[in-house]
Amino acid sequence: AQSVTQLDSHVSVSEGTPVLLRCNYSSSYSPSLFWYVQHPNKGLQLLLKYTSAATLVKGINGFEAEFKKSETSFHLTKPSAHMSDAAEYFCVVSPPSGSARQLTFGSGTQLTVLP
Amino acid sequence: GAVVSQHPSWVICKSGTSVKIECRSLDFQATTMFWYRQFPKQSLMLMATSNEGSKATYEQGVEKDKFLINHASLTLSTLTVTSAHPEDSSFYICSARGGAPSYNEQFFGPGTRLTVL
Repeated sequence: AQSVTQLDSHVSVSEGTPVLLRCNYSSSYSPSLFWYVQHPNKGLQLLLKYTSAATLVKGINGFEAEFKKSETSFHLTKPSAHMSDAAEYFCVVSPPSGSARQLTFGSGTQLTVLP
Repeated sequence: GAVVSQHPSWVICKSGTSVKIECRSLDFQATTMFWYRQFPKQSLMLMATSNEGSKATYEQGVEKDKFLINHASLTLSTLTVTSAHPEDSSFYICSARGGAPSYNEQFFGPGTRLTVL
């Protein structure tokens, strides 16, 4: 069984300040973890993924996430927010060699970037 | 990289009519395709999983007679919303999963906004 919890439904930051989007997971095995971004009326774009290699994962657009097994966390960070980062972000968990139906989505975090 | 397209991106229809949404994997063969539904300001809900050449597997609570899924080839899956009603208005997103090396990664389409009047 697996589950994922995004701790904040909404995060607001000023442009140029750091971004932290929190995600905790629960899994009975070593999972794969993903962060996706969704802009309004758009599909999902993969930001980064963890698949049991390096625990610090670098993604696109300056985002990175660190897999911490002891804390069962996979928080998404960015040193300096840009206006274009405003979007919905989803943390997703999957077993390492999952069956077709095994992606579990978090509830999403809406990121607002203030000028 | 792997690209998934959806057509149409936006459709408005009258209540009682049927609407077909296409999902295509453009540069890889998708052994499995997934259909999701997303309500405003909510996460994605998996509706069904389809494997090429076999019947789709529907999630609990999803009416298979209302949401017909066909996965006739390794690059195309279709979702037909039959006798659509206003409550079927939603954002429908497909994803596709192919072969090596990213067996575990799903590639998402851009979504289709359905509005039923």
